[in-house]
Amino acid sequence: GAVVSQHPSRVICKSGTSVKIECRSLDFQATTMFWYRQFPKQSLMLMATSNEGSKATYEQGVEKDKFLINHASLTLSTLTVTSAHPEDSSFYICSARVGQFNSPLHFGNGTRLTVT
Amino acid sequence: KNEVEQSPQNLTAQEGEFITINCSYSVGISALHWLQQHPGGGIVSLFMLSSGKKKHGRLIATINIQEKHSSLHITASHPRDSAVYICAGNTGNQFYFGTGTSLTVIP
Repeated sequence: GAVVSQHPSRVICKSGTSVKIECRSLDFQATTMFWYRQFPKQSLMLMATSNEGSKATYEQGVEKDKFLINHASLTLSTLTVTSAHPEDSSFYICSARVGQFNSPLHFGNGTRLTVT
Repeated sequence: KNEVEQSPQNLTAQEGEFITINCSYSVGISALHWLQQHPGGGIVSLFMLSSGKKKHGRLIATINIQEKHSSLHITASHPRDSAVYICAGNTGNQFYFGTGTSLTVIP
């Protein structure tokens, strides 16, 4: 149980285009979803926290207009990288949580974004 | 200085060895997570604990709240245990991630 599906797993796009990444909880309703970015050989960096039906809370230094997060339902959150640039190339991963703060996290398999 | 420090950064072990990865934190947290990240990038949550000890198969996680320290132990290690292990503390929606321990288990 508690499967999180993230799609696509890999995407290559040209500079200036936008890319949407989906994160779905398949067998549970996710109260909260988190989006992370991971640079090579580094740990996870939390980008934003999204709760269903409300605006995402972004971490300091993360541009909300560049990384648009929508959490339209209890099973789907999307991250759109707008006007992508090569420096946005990274590994993006989501996690979902059932219930409140001390509940386990369930992770997607990540999306490798390459901007050319 | 990171709020969460892990040691060692890299670890190579022979198959069958007992492995310990340590995590110390300097902030108040309500729960500590141990995560396993495989080479493809996918992450599996191994444990979430706020006190005491948890065991799942060959994996054991302990936490000492007073000392702000947690350990992840792997008994009878196997090459398939090779991965990056990340500890993370959270309070509410605030997360603090360690930099990870890269484990390689040699057959």
